[in-house]
Amino acid sequence: EVQLVESGGGLVLPGGSLRLSCAASGFIFSSYRMHWVRQVPGNGLVWVSGINSDGIATSYADSVKGRFTISRDNAKNTVYLQMNSLRVEDTAVYYCAVESIGWYVFDYWGLGNVVTVSS
Amino acid sequence: QSALTQPASVSGSPGQSITISCTGTSSDVGAYNYVSWYQQHPGKAPKLMIYDVNNRPSGVSNRFSGSKSGNTASLTISGLQAEDEADYYCSSYTSSSTYVFGTGTKVTVL
Repeated sequence: EVQLVESGGGLVLPGGSLRLSCAASGFIFSSYRMHWVRQVPGNGLVWVSGINSDGIATSYADSVKGRFTISRDNAKNTVYLQMNSLRVEDTAVYYCAVESIGWYVFDYWGLGNVVTVSS
Repeated sequence: QSALTQPASVSGSPGQSITISCTGTSSDVGAYNYVSWYQQHPGKAPKLMIYDVNNRPSGVSNRFSGSKSGNTASLTISGLQAEDEADYYCSSYTSSSTYVFGTGTKVTVL
């Protein structure tokens, strides 16, 4: 059974940093692209960042480019999202998702982790 | 990258069919057959319902189907059931090598 478990969220001041982690199990982690998607409660889903299977190619939404960094450790079956220079508008539930059933699709999701940026 | 456009709400009676549209541009929906659809119940994580425009993952009811014409994709739910009441989002790969979601549609079963 595929499981994705996010951790590392919490309350942070504007301008601060957080690192989210997503521990994966139930599939061959090193074979698949991973993503982070966020959702402000009551609002829609927004793709944040993605990383290919070997960790070399990464991509970002314009809203986080230069502030967020995605990475992965295939030995630990974990993907990370380093979030720097956080803004109030980064407040959201952050989900990790795997792209395994095909190209450019998020077929399994974690339960999400809350990040609150507030003074 | 602007969000794909979906109707805010769609409703139907049990047993009826409803269709949710998802309108993008020639740089996303119109450019690739990489449109997917997600169902999200309140407080839950999204669930994949359709991928590659019209493919269903294992375990998803065949009451859900997808299609695409030009820059607009559609999700049809036939034989509407109470459990189908949820938010639905479309998503597409884009020519900028990024991904974009739709604005979301709340489905209400009357």
